[in-house]
Amino acid sequence: KAGVTQTPRYLIKTRGQQVTLSCSPISGHRSVSWYQQTPGQGLQFLFEYFSETQRNKGNFPGRFSGRQFSNSRSEMNVSTLELGDSALYLCASSLVISGELFFGEGSRLTVL
Amino acid sequence: DQQVKQNSPSLSVQEGRISILNCDYTNSMFDYFLWYKKYPAEGPTFLISISSIKDKNEDGRFTVFLNKSAKHLSLHIVPSQPGDSAVYFCATNTGNQFYFGTGTSLTVIP
Repeated sequence: KAGVTQTPRYLIKTRGQQVTLSCSPISGHRSVSWYQQTPGQGLQFLFEYFSETQRNKGNFPGRFSGRQFSNSRSEMNVSTLELGDSALYLCASSLVISGELFFGEGSRLTVL
Repeated sequence: DQQVKQNSPSLSVQEGRISILNCDYTNSMFDYFLWYKKYPAEGPTFLISISSIKDKNEDGRFTVFLNKSAKHLSLHIVPSQPGDSAVYFCATNTGNQFYFGTGTSLTVIP
């Protein structure tokens, strides 16, 4: 069965812009989590959505937001981009809240 | 504040030898731990896990050891193969959230 799909795979933005990343989970998975990966910081939890509701949120500023649609697809948005937002953003889906994670390949964001 | 720490950013090992990757955690209430493996341009994939009721879990060439008193776990790969070259993340699942370490980049030299 198809895995987790993230789009776009690569993107370049400039400071102050905003960006929206998309994630399509594995069919049947209702939980979607987002992580930021940067060198030296590992995988930092952003938020988790289940059945269109945010269930948990990591320690990120309000510029980072997300949502989940009725088909379980999820988007995350980062507004007023800063240089430090350059990272690999990973989406993971699971059957249940905090269940086994299946990751997508990530969206590589570069902020200039 | 890192709940799970991997103090070695990188490790190089000769093919056929043992690779030992280490991980420390801060909260003695954590009771389920996992290792994920990540190749470049791919997402992390689950490798092996261990519950706190055990101190060892083995799956083929991969063994995870848990020392609860030291709040330490380690992943042993024996024998190491070039295809094992990847970044390894340890993680804990609290039932509410996953916490990941910073990763250790393993290079297995042929």
